[in-house]
Amino acid sequence: NAGVTQTPKFQVLKTGQSMTLQCAQDMNHNSMYWYRQDPGMGLRLIYYSASEGTTDKGEVPNGYNVSRLNKREFSLRLESAAPSQTSVYFCASSSRGTGADEQYFGPGTRLTVT
Amino acid sequence: QKEVEQDPGPLSVPEGAIVSLNCTYSNSAFQYFMWYRQYSRKGPELLMYTYSSGNKEDGRFTAQVDKSSKYISLFIRDSQPSDSATYLCARNSGGSNYKLTFGKGTLLTVNP
Repeated sequence: NAGVTQTPKFQVLKTGQSMTLQCAQDMNHNSMYWYRQDPGMGLRLIYYSASEGTTDKGEVPNGYNVSRLNKREFSLRLESAAPSQTSVYFCASSSRGTGADEQYFGPGTRLTVT
Repeated sequence: QKEVEQDPGPLSVPEGAIVSLNCTYSNSAFQYFMWYRQYSRKGPELLMYTYSSGNKEDGRFTAQVDKSSKYISLFIRDSQPSDSATYLCARNSGGSNYKLTFGKGTLLTVNP
């Protein structure tokens, strides 16, 4: 039982390049989330998927797109990377998406855009 | 105003000290309050949660909510070097609202 896995762990991009961050969970969770974490800004929600087939914008969606490929996988795409997207990206999942439902986080992807 | 405000610290204490970490919130509709712990270069993990009107104790950790002042606290008794981490408070509104809003996190260092 690996929990939430993310690939890659590290990535360096040049401005304007594109890339997809991959996330998978093996806990049969319904809901999945993408966050970014920046110094002094805490964790901010980019996009979330309440259930398979649905996605919604979070607090900071500009410059990103997501795909809920199936119940296990939720990917985050940067179409044209900008230096402001340099951050640590975390994927998370939760089972019911209600109440005090615990979110389980992956190990993160450290992205640098030059 | 961000819905959850947290003093970013950093906070440095000697081993064995009692630690108090605090957050304030602005929306009375919040129902669940959570504390996540994040070790350096790792993902956050849930430490404790409380419902809006309750306190909760788990070993050396106590989570407390003061609704009158919209204040949430995490107390750590007999702090250990292994408690050194960033602590993030978070809230959701319960029901079908599954989104969490996080504070900025407080970096705690417990010195041996």
